[in-house]
Amino acid sequence: GIQVEQSPPDLILQEGANSTLRCNFSDSVNNLQWFHQNPWGQLINLFYIPSGTKQNGRLSATTVATERYSLLYISSSQTTDSGVYFCAVAPYGDKLIFGTGTRLQVFP
Amino acid sequence: DAGVIQSPRHEVTEMGQEVTLRCKPISGHDYLFWYRQTMMRGLELLIYFNNNVPIDDSGMPEDRFSAKMPNASFSTLKIQPSEPRDSAVYFCASRGNRGWEAFFGQGTRLTVV
Repeated sequence: GIQVEQSPPDLILQEGANSTLRCNFSDSVNNLQWFHQNPWGQLINLFYIPSGTKQNGRLSATTVATERYSLLYISSSQTTDSGVYFCAVAPYGDKLIFGTGTRLQVFP
Repeated sequence: DAGVIQSPRHEVTEMGQEVTLRCKPISGHDYLFWYRQTMMRGLELLIYFNNNVPIDDSGMPEDRFSAKMPNASFSTLKIQPSEPRDSAVYFCASRGNRGWEAFFGQGTRLTVV
């Protein structure tokens, strides 16, 4: 089956710093989503981005489907950005397969 | 829309007991997914439905697990009998037939003692 790898596994930042999270996948996909799992365990939709670039406030994402990777950019990080960031892909359009996540800790 | 609604939010039960988790998908969504999250295995898909029909249950760990979707607005995941290794957070998600974006419920944290 498809492999979804995220890097780095852990990231520690000071408030105000910028960061880039990466998601590599081993096969063509019809769907790619980024989620933030907050410290209370909720999975929050960040982006639905099978290709191209999107921005939402301090967050932006780029997916290069032909090269099988996606990047999530967080600028001017805040403590509320802490949590785990997941990339999930759907190789055949139906079921989402999750990566192992990047755990982000932002300190004041 | 209230989003995907799961109940209960927390469940503590004794080994051997039957456990039923419930999910109400977003109105109009045709796909419903059940996921399990553990530290060891991360987020793994157990089963998913399209138009109330189970499409892929290859992720269901064993016969103790069963899932049903009797109508478009309700699904259950049942574990009978439950075991301590079933302790995890169980998520339900749904998405529409035309849009690929999936939305998750708040999860049910199951503890089997």
